[in-house]
Amino acid sequence: NAGVTQTPKFQVLKTGQSMTLQCAQDMNHEYMSWYRQDPGMGLRLIHYSVGAGITDQGEVPNGYNVSRSTTEDFPLRLLSAAPSQTSVYFCASSSVPGQGAGYTFGSGTRLTVV
Amino acid sequence: TQLLEQSPQFLSIQEGENLTVYCNSSSVFSSLQWYRQEPGEGPVLLVTVVTGGEVKKLKRLTFQFGDARKDSSLHITAAQPGDTGLYLCAGVEAGKSTFGDGTTLTVKP
Repeated sequence: NAGVTQTPKFQVLKTGQSMTLQCAQDMNHEYMSWYRQDPGMGLRLIHYSVGAGITDQGEVPNGYNVSRSTTEDFPLRLLSAAPSQTSVYFCASSSVPGQGAGYTFGSGTRLTVV
Repeated sequence: TQLLEQSPQFLSIQEGENLTVYCNSSSVFSSLQWYRQEPGEGPVLLVTVVTGGEVKKLKRLTFQFGDARKDSSLHITAAQPGDTGLYLCAGVEAGKSTFGDGTTLTVKP
């Protein structure tokens, strides 16, 4: 099993550019989330989804959009990149987190906005 | 916003020592999870605790969930260099996982 696959692994953007971070999982998990991790800090929730067609905002949603058209895919769109969005982005999926199932994380996308 | 505070932020110890890290919140969670993250990788789940007062053991690691389901601790016995990493706790409520800022553990040989 591939688990959670994130692409690209590295990306450099210019301020104002837009792009989409891809995330796919092959475990038939209902729950998927996007986090960002800045140096010396934990993970901050950007957006999450509890199933196909359902998304909601996390702690730091501004500047990001998501959609969940299928169970497998949960892309994160940066609308107009800013230097403050330089970070490592992690996608994660879970079956039923509230009942004890943990999240499986991808290996991350390292984004630099110049 | 539900906040999770982890302490200490950094911990450097010698191989063979014991240690405890803490995860505290003013909010109640339906479950609490502990993850370990190595540089350049995503976090990996160590354990989930669900019931207040629950204690789980994973080899040399002991996890405890507070009676009120607001806090948790991770105790490592006889730490080894392979335990080095970032330890993150996450509170789960209504399908959302909120992470603490983590404890960076370094175990010196």
